[in-house]
Amino acid sequence: DAGVIQSPRHEVTEMGQEVTLRCKPISGHNSLFWYRQTMMRGLELLIYFNNNVPIDDSGMPEDRFSAKMPNASFSTLKIQPSEPRDSAVYFCASSSQGVLTEAFFGQGTRLTVV
Amino acid sequence: GIQVEQSPPDLILQEGANSTLRCNFSDSVNNLQWFHQNPWGQLINLFYIPSGTKQNGRLSATTVATERYSLLYISSSQTTDSGVYFCAVAPSDNYGQNFVFGPGTRLSVLP
Repeated sequence: DAGVIQSPRHEVTEMGQEVTLRCKPISGHNSLFWYRQTMMRGLELLIYFNNNVPIDDSGMPEDRFSAKMPNASFSTLKIQPSEPRDSAVYFCASSSQGVLTEAFFGQGTRLTVV
Repeated sequence: GIQVEQSPPDLILQEGANSTLRCNFSDSVNNLQWFHQNPWGQLINLFYIPSGTKQNGRLSATTVATERYSLLYISSSQTTDSGVYFCAVAPSDNYGQNFVFGPGTRLSVLP
């Protein structure tokens, strides 16, 4: 298996622009997580999907952030409008059964908002 | 919520040395994983170890869930072991919800 695939690897955008990050989980996994990593806050959960349904979105910072999972093989994380404080590395992870099984992470998207 | 602590925060070793990294957590957990974040930022799975002991080459890990800690052992360290080591736990009271990451241990292995 190719593992969790994220795109793009790097994104530089201007403040106020819309940004869309993409994730393809491992085939057969039914749980998907979006994490954000910053120097100040470390790795923190943004949202967790199970069987394509958002289960826990309490980590989504504010209404500018939204996430969708239209099918089992694709998820997006959208920021609109983007702000400089959104600059971070965004990771997607998947597992076969939530947090009860091993999670595998993608390579991350490094977002820079200028 | 659950608190996850890792020690030491930073560690510098000469190549060939051994080390022990520790992860303490404040509440019972359903799952625990160790990851290595390499200098390119990639999070690499090391161990899925909610309890017991596992070994993989020069690395081994032990989790004592009843005492709320896990240890990662690195033997005969190599420069490629450099990076940040994270433990991540899934709290039992948050069934199926979230992995909580510790702050990490930054390891530098010098040639």
